[in-house]
Amino acid sequence: DAGVIQSPRHEVTEMGQEVTLRCKPISGHDYLFWYRQTMMRGLELLIYFNNNVPIDDSGMPEDRFSAKMPNASFSTLKIQPSEPRDSAVYFCASSFPDTNEQFFGPGTRLTVL
Amino acid sequence: SQQGEEDPQALSIQEGENATMNCSYKTSINNLQWYRQNSGRGLVHLILIRSNEREKHSGRLRVTLDTSKKSSSLLITASRAADTASYFCATDAPNDYKLSFGAGTTVTVRA
Repeated sequence: DAGVIQSPRHEVTEMGQEVTLRCKPISGHDYLFWYRQTMMRGLELLIYFNNNVPIDDSGMPEDRFSAKMPNASFSTLKIQPSEPRDSAVYFCASSFPDTNEQFFGPGTRLTVL
Repeated sequence: SQQGEEDPQALSIQEGENATMNCSYKTSINNLQWYRQNSGRGLVHLILIRSNEREKHSGRLRVTLDTSKKSSSLLITASRAADTASYFCATDAPNDYKLSFGAGTTVTVRA
């Protein structure tokens, strides 16, 4: 298995633009998590899904952020409109339910100018 | 919000020495996990210890858990340059799948 796949790896955009981050979890994993990592706030959980259904989105910072999981092999995190304070590394992770050992993707480094 | 807090924030040791880092948390947990993050990479799971376990080993890693003190420690024995990374503890509460991560300990192993 290739592990959790994220795209793009780097994204540079201008304030006000829409940004879409993509994630392909490990096949067979029932849970999918989106995290954001910054120096100031560390690693924050934004939202997680179980069997494609959003379970907890309490970490989503504001309405500009939205996440979907249309099927078991694909998820998106969208920011519209983007702001400079959204600059961070965004990670996707997936796991089996019995262990909660999470497998992380390589991350997307987002820079909003 | 961060549940766990690692101590120290940074650690520099000579190759071959042992590295010990600690994690304290605030509320009851189901499991505690340790992850490693190399610079510019995603986190990699190292070891999981359940709330009813006190000690666990995996290769050169030794993890202890003291639920009465709400603390855990990670020991890396005979460190190597490749162990240079940030190490995070993460906890999940009973009946909750969310992981709360600490701020991490940055370990530098000098050759």
